[in-house]
Amino acid sequence: AQSVTQPDIHITVSEGASLELRCNYSYGATPYLFWYVQSPGQGLQLLLKYFSGDTLVQGIKGFEAEFKRSQSSFNLRKPSVHWSDAAEYFCAVGAGYSGGGADGLTFGKGTHLIIQP
Amino acid sequence: EAQVTQNPRYLITVTGKKLTVTCSQNMNHEYMSWYRQDPGLGLRQIYYSMNVEVTDKGDVPEGYKVSRKEKRNFPLILESPSPNQTSLYFCASSIAVGELFFGEGSRLTVL
Repeated sequence: AQSVTQPDIHITVSEGASLELRCNYSYGATPYLFWYVQSPGQGLQLLLKYFSGDTLVQGIKGFEAEFKRSQSSFNLRKPSVHWSDAAEYFCAVGAGYSGGGADGLTFGKGTHLIIQP
Repeated sequence: EAQVTQNPRYLITVTGKKLTVTCSQNMNHEYMSWYRQDPGLGLRQIYYSMNVEVTDKGDVPEGYKVSRKEKRNFPLILESPSPNQTSLYFCASSIAVGELFFGEGSRLTVL
């Protein structure tokens, strides 16, 4: 069964500093990988996705993520965070519709990002 | 504007009183899902629907029912709510693998 681990429950970063959020997955084949962001009181919004090809993917709001098959990782990065980036971030792995479920996604438990002034 | 709309956004109810949380999407998506979000547990899928009249259980379906009579609507029904169903519920729709559009959530408290 697929699984996702986000090792950091909370991360605190100073505004303007760089950010890296970790995500490790377990999946038997080439995975579909996603990062979602949840701002306070809101639903989740898709930041970026990886299906195949270039292992460095760009997303919205200046985020990027790198797929490393050898490490089973899909870490999210941003060179300079803004106070508005404070949110909960979820990594997800999917099998596609053939894997069961309308979206076939398994979510990590999330990383809460705190931005210090 | 493309959106997934859930109602109610907030609800306090009592054990055993049937309730329905509605979900509607205006993007003509075939696929819709319900999730619950609990502290420390992340998001867990309750039910999903691949198309009209096609629904199936997710990871935590106990105590819930769904129906999909129209493409745009996917209500979540709690026939006899219990306190362990106190949670934040999200409806989502998608047209492509994993690219979910989420509603803003419905916070349910069962006393």
